[in-house]
Amino acid sequence: EVQLVESGGGLVQPGGSLRLSCAASGFTFSAYWMSWVRQSPGKGLQCVANIKEDGSEKNYVDSVKGRFTISRDNAKNSVYLQMNSLRAEDTAVYYCVTTARGCESWGQGTLVTVSS
Amino acid sequence: DVVMTQSPLSLPVTLGQPASISCRSSQSLVNSDGNTYLNWFQQRPGQSPRRLIYKVSNRDSGVPDKFSGSGSGTDFTLKISRVETEDVGVYYCMQGTHWPFTFGQGTRLDI
Repeated sequence: EVQLVESGGGLVQPGGSLRLSCAASGFTFSAYWMSWVRQSPGKGLQCVANIKEDGSEKNYVDSVKGRFTISRDNAKNSVYLQMNSLRAEDTAVYYCVTTARGCESWGQGTLVTVSS
Repeated sequence: DVVMTQSPLSLPVTLGQPASISCRSSQSLVNSDGNTYLNWFQQRPGQSPRRLIYKVSNRDSGVPDKFSGSGSGTDFTLKISRVETEDVGVYYCMQGTHWPFTFGQGTRLDI
């Protein structure tokens, strides 16, 4: 059974940083693209970033380019999202998701709140 | 970005009756590899989204056959043949053809 467990969310001030982690199990992690998708009341569901199986290709939505960095460690079956220069509009539940085009399996999400 | 437009946004239904949700994209979702990456998700209250349908009409493992997807190009439909209490929630379409991949606004289904 696929399991995705996110961690690292919390309350942060505008301009601050957070690093989200996702521990994956139950499938061959190194064989799948991985994604981060966020959900906020105001903007619904949004694909934030994704990363190829070997980490050689990454994509970001324009609103986070230059501020967020996705990475993975296949030896640890984990994917990460480093978030810098956080803004109020980044407030959302962040989900770790398997695959890119299909968004097949989802974690339970971790809440990020950007507020002073 | 590709805009995904769902209708209706609210769908009150009677138990045992069918339901249908429309999703339209602002451009064709046919990818250069020949696939059409249109997915449907269900989000029950308090839960993460769950994928029901991928590539227009393929049901995920464990998804009841009362759910069906159809369509092509820019017009897609999710149908539920007989609505049950457990189907209450918000349904989203999502395109995985053009980056950034985008979701519809969601359709709230209630009894």
